Amino acid sequence: GAVVSQHPSWVICKSGTSVKIECRSLDFQATTMFWYRQFPKQSLMLMATSNEGSKATYEQGVEKDKFLINHASLTLSTLTVTSAHPEDSSFYICSATTSDPYEQYFGPGTRLTVT
Amino acid sequence: GQNIDQPTEMTATEGAIVQINCTYQTSGFNGLFWYQQHAGEAPTFLSYNVLDGLEEKGRFSSFLSRSKGYSYLLLKELQMKDSASYLCAVEDSNYQLIWGAGTKLIIKP
Repeated sequence: GAVVSQHPSWVICKSGTSVKIECRSLDFQATTMFWYRQFPKQSLMLMATSNEGSKATYEQGVEKDKFLINHASLTLSTLTVTSAHPEDSSFYICSATTSDPYEQYFGPGTRLTVT
Repeated sequence: GQNIDQPTEMTATEGAIVQINCTYQTSGFNGLFWYQQHAGEAPTFLSYNVLDGLEEKGRFSSFLSRSKGYSYLLLKELQMKDSASYLCAVEDSNYQLIWGAGTKLIIKP
């Protein structure tokens, strides 16, 4: 089946620094990629929808200047958490979709800890 | 390798009971999630099993057998709004999520 990878798996950074998380579709071209955030034992919260070559669409309440999304190719999207704070510590998950047929594949997640 | 298997699609009747199975082979085990996802929406958390046994939460129950690498989600008194995809995901030893492809559940009147 289709595989979506994320890098890094774990990252610890200091408050005020920026962290970049990569999401790659390894064996297919993804028309759309989604970025989610998950708190322990809670639903995935959709942060933004990203289409290749265009600006990401952010969900209400998500700061686009803080969570920068770049979708430069059909197989790669990046999420950069700028000026990270401890409250940004979370599990970030991406998913990638194909269009015909519509299938959604989830990545393994990236655990971010801001100290 | 790591693998999660669940049926691609299931059909059930309104008011009935349906069981969605999930089998897994992963590098370690720290927990198993079940999510519900309606088309075009983010997945909604349903359950999280760490220990063997059945956990009941209203109309939904989830069962886990770690020795068998097996879980199921049981939905009772099915309603039309239960038509959705149901995703099984396992936390491996590194707390990474290994996702099943999802089971599309179709509820008929």
